[in-house]
Amino acid sequence: DTEVTQTPKHLVMGMTNKKSLKCEQHMGHRAMYWYKQKAKKPPELMFVYSYEKLSINESVPSRFSPECPNSSLLNLHLHALQPEDSALYLCASSLSTGYGYTFGSGTRLTVV
Amino acid sequence: GQQVMQIPQYQHVQEGEDFTTYCNSSTTLSNIQWYKQRPGGHPVFLIQLVKSGEVKKQKRLTFQFGEAKKNSSLHITATQTTDVGTYFCAGTTSGTYKYIFGTGTRLKVLA
Repeated sequence: DTEVTQTPKHLVMGMTNKKSLKCEQHMGHRAMYWYKQKAKKPPELMFVYSYEKLSINESVPSRFSPECPNSSLLNLHLHALQPEDSALYLCASSLSTGYGYTFGSGTRLTVV
Repeated sequence: GQQVMQIPQYQHVQEGEDFTTYCNSSTTLSNIQWYKQRPGGHPVFLIQLVKSGEVKKQKRLTFQFGEAKKNSSLHITATQTTDVGTYFCAGTTSGTYKYIFGTGTRLKVLA
């Protein structure tokens, strides 16, 4: 298995909702990442997990809460989002930090 | 903070023409990666360069890392319609594995 699976592919949520994005990989990668990408812009790093521990948080608002339950799973919990949070949320993994990433196909999030 | 710029922002070429995108960092990089993102798709890892002056080839793609490790380039020989997409470089500095993506170059290939 050489892919990163993200669910759901699309999500529409209201500003008062709570939802979660899920990411799974079975490549034995020990680093996992969340990136946010707006249309026609580069991906922006949000969080880095290394060996299931949060190692980088790029000053992301607390309405985004990451969780790494085990070495194969990465979640992003969403609460009280704003319309400007609408974007493509990409999960990625790599063998370890410093190696090339395998990206998932992303969750396209719309906040209404 | 660290900034990574790419030029050009857009490039339209006729099929069969060559294409080059340049990546410039405001700080010295420890290594650089290149990704391709097709329209509507997700970034796909192409290559990683680590050594000063390094050159790597993948079929029609040639990647270079500058001697000062502050710039890099991707050259595609004889473009094909399958090369369409946005090419991103992503660099990291020593002591951190935070990769900052460049601004990207969007390539369109006209058949």
